[in-house]
Amino acid sequence: QVQLVQSGAEVKRPGASVKVSCKTSGYTFTAYHIYWVRQAPGQGLEWVGWINPRTGGTEVAEGFQGRVTMTRDTSISTAYMELNRLTFDDTAVYFCARAEGPNNWLDPWGQGTLVIVSS
Amino acid sequence: EIVLTQSPATLSLSPGDRATLSCRASRSVRTYIAWYQQKTGQAPRLLIYDTSNRATGIPARFSGSGSGTDFTLTISSLEPEDFAVYYCQQRSNWPPGTFGQGTKLEIK
Repeated sequence: QVQLVQSGAEVKRPGASVKVSCKTSGYTFTAYHIYWVRQAPGQGLEWVGWINPRTGGTEVAEGFQGRVTMTRDTSISTAYMELNRLTFDDTAVYFCARAEGPNNWLDPWGQGTLVIVSS
Repeated sequence: EIVLTQSPATLSLSPGDRATLSCRASRSVRTYIAWYQQKTGQAPRLLIYDTSNRATGIPARFSGSGSGTDFTLTISSLEPEDFAVYYCQQRSNWPPGTFGQGTKLEIK
């Protein structure tokens, strides 16, 4: 079955960087986009960006441009999202999710990675 | 940029009731609306895509309708496991990850 398994929770200082991984299985990694979506505590869903694992091409939401880098390692079917210059407002659960293309539905989702920014 | 507005923010119902959740787009998204269910502490799960198509494994009590700017998710008879937060999402226009703010379906 299709699975997306994310890395564990992280605690970071303001100004630091965090890199979250999303290991996929059960399908051809390069055939689907990987989206990143975050959810601040008690809040809704916010799109961060996506990566096309086949080409490495990415698209980043306007509010994250210049701070987010998305990469992938096709040899291990894993996508990564790195967020730089962390602030307290970046405290959130970060989800990866699979999509059939650059503008498509998200199914399934990873379990989420809690990133806490704390001094 | 398209804005999706969900209503009500909270819906209090009992098991067995019929639930009707609304999602309104600031401009037409044709039929490119999906609905997700998120239970506490879990990732969202795709329920309905392209307005009315149930995702794999989703029970028939979930249905979707609408077009243009007004969309509805209906749960015909609530089961205890249906109490959760529901989000709509559009893919008609950029940016692709536009979500509504969510409707919390709680037990009355």
